Amino acid sequence: QKEVEQNSGPLSVPEGAIASLNCTYSDRGSQSFFWYRQYSGKSPELIMSIYSNGDKEDGRFTAQLNKASQYVSLLIRDSQPSDSATYLCAVNNDMRFGAGTRLTVKP
Amino acid sequence: DGGITQSPKYLFRKEGQNVTLSCEQNLNHDAMYWYRQDPGQGLRLIYYSQIVNDFQKGDIAEGYSVSREKKESFPLTVTSAQKNPTAFYLCANSAPGQGIAWREKLFFGSGTQLSVL
Repeated sequence: QKEVEQNSGPLSVPEGAIASLNCTYSDRGSQSFFWYRQYSGKSPELIMSIYSNGDKEDGRFTAQLNKASQYVSLLIRDSQPSDSATYLCAVNNDMRFGAGTRLTVKP
Repeated sequence: DGGITQSPKYLFRKEGQNVTLSCEQNLNHDAMYWYRQDPGQGLRLIYYSQIVNDFQKGDIAEGYSVSREKKESFPLTVTSAQKNPTAFYLCANSAPGQGIAWREKLFFGSGTQLSVL
C-alpha cells in the first residue's frame, strides 16, 4: 500500500523560532505534494503546494521537495502562537494523507 | 473555498442503525472524496468518485457505502457493519485540471462529527 509518513509529534517550538515538519512517501511516481493546516475541530486548509524539486517560498512558509529521496518538508519561519495546529502532508496520486504533526508554538 | 456543504454538523447513531451523511457541492467539480479522521490522527480515505455514477473504494471502505447519482451530491452511508463509527467525517472535492497549480488541490467541507449512542 502506498504510504505517506510524517515525523511523529507533538512538536513544540518557542515563538520566533523555525518549525521544521517532515514527510516521506512511498510512491516514486507521485507528482504533487501539499501541506494542509488543521486547527482543532476544523477542516484542513491548504497552505502550500509543490510540484518540482527544490524550495518554494510563500511568506513565512517554505516547502522543500526532494523526489530522489522521496521527502517533502515544510519550514515555518518566525513561528507564531497562531501557527499552533496540526499539519498534514498529502500526496496527489491517490490523495493519501500522512497522520499529521501537531505543532505548538509557545509565547 | 470549494463550495462544499456537509450536514449535519453532529450526528448520533444507535447500535444497528444506518446513518447517512450529506455532502453537496456547488462548483461543478468532478472529483469528490470522503475521509475519516479519528482524534489525533490524520485523514483516511473511505471512498472517492471521479465522475457521476462511478466511485472507488479507499483504504477503509468496509462498513461504508456511497452513491454518486448527481454531480452535486456524494452522500456517505455508515452502515451497521461499521462497528466503530465514532469519528470526524470530512467530504472534499478537487478542482479540475486547469493548470498545475490547481491539480488535485482539495477543498473541504466543515465536517460531520458522528458519535454512537
